[in-house]
Amino acid sequence: GAGVSQSPSNKVTEKGKDVELRCDPISGHTALYWYRQSLGQGLEFLIYFQGNSAPDKSGLPSDRFSAERTGGSVSTLTIQRTQQEDSAVYLCASSSLLAGVGDTQYFGPGTRLTVL
Amino acid sequence: AQSVTQLGSHVSVSEGALVLLRCNYSSSVPPYLFWYVQYPNQGLQLLLKYTTGATLVKGINGFEAEFKKSETSFHLTKPSAHMSDAAEYFCAVTSYNNNDMRFGAGTRLTVKP
Repeated sequence: GAGVSQSPSNKVTEKGKDVELRCDPISGHTALYWYRQSLGQGLEFLIYFQGNSAPDKSGLPSDRFSAERTGGSVSTLTIQRTQQEDSAVYLCASSSLLAGVGDTQYFGPGTRLTVL
Repeated sequence: AQSVTQLGSHVSVSEGALVLLRCNYSSSVPPYLFWYVQYPNQGLQLLLKYTTGATLVKGINGFEAEFKKSETSFHLTKPSAHMSDAAEYFCAVTSYNNNDMRFGAGTRLTVKP
């Protein structure tokens, strides 16, 4: 498909377990973002990847959260030792980010994480 | 740091009525401003954006927004609401060469028949 895809669409896990969320950006997009959307709240920036540069991790809420992007394409967001407050929808977005202009971000459908 | 405030977490209008969703931003540099819409069980999609140039920006589905620097606002409007406009709307701000886009808390629009 032409859009951003995320998997799984839904994930239910038990407190203390690790989870991995996957994002496939639009082909050719060099910038990739992860956000968290909690109930009744806006989007919380988590992490940003741009090309081969070091990622901007300033939004990660704790050291239990990490992300990687392999080959400049697919990204995985890992949450270790999940807590109930981690329950949210995790959104991935990509953009072409040409010349640093505020390019449009294209969002995936999200992964709904529920921690029991 | 940049930030966005959306006034009203929930707005309800009648079908055919004017839609006005408010967004105020804070930025120490010239802002780039966006409105995104999220339909139920779907991802966010861009409605419109302002970067430079004309301050009145037209987007999809009949929506438009006007950048008013003096008021630090970027309110979203539509002259006549349609039932299909029911969704959550997010305002966002970033700037040139800025990796960090800040989103507002969102406004849920309900359209009554």
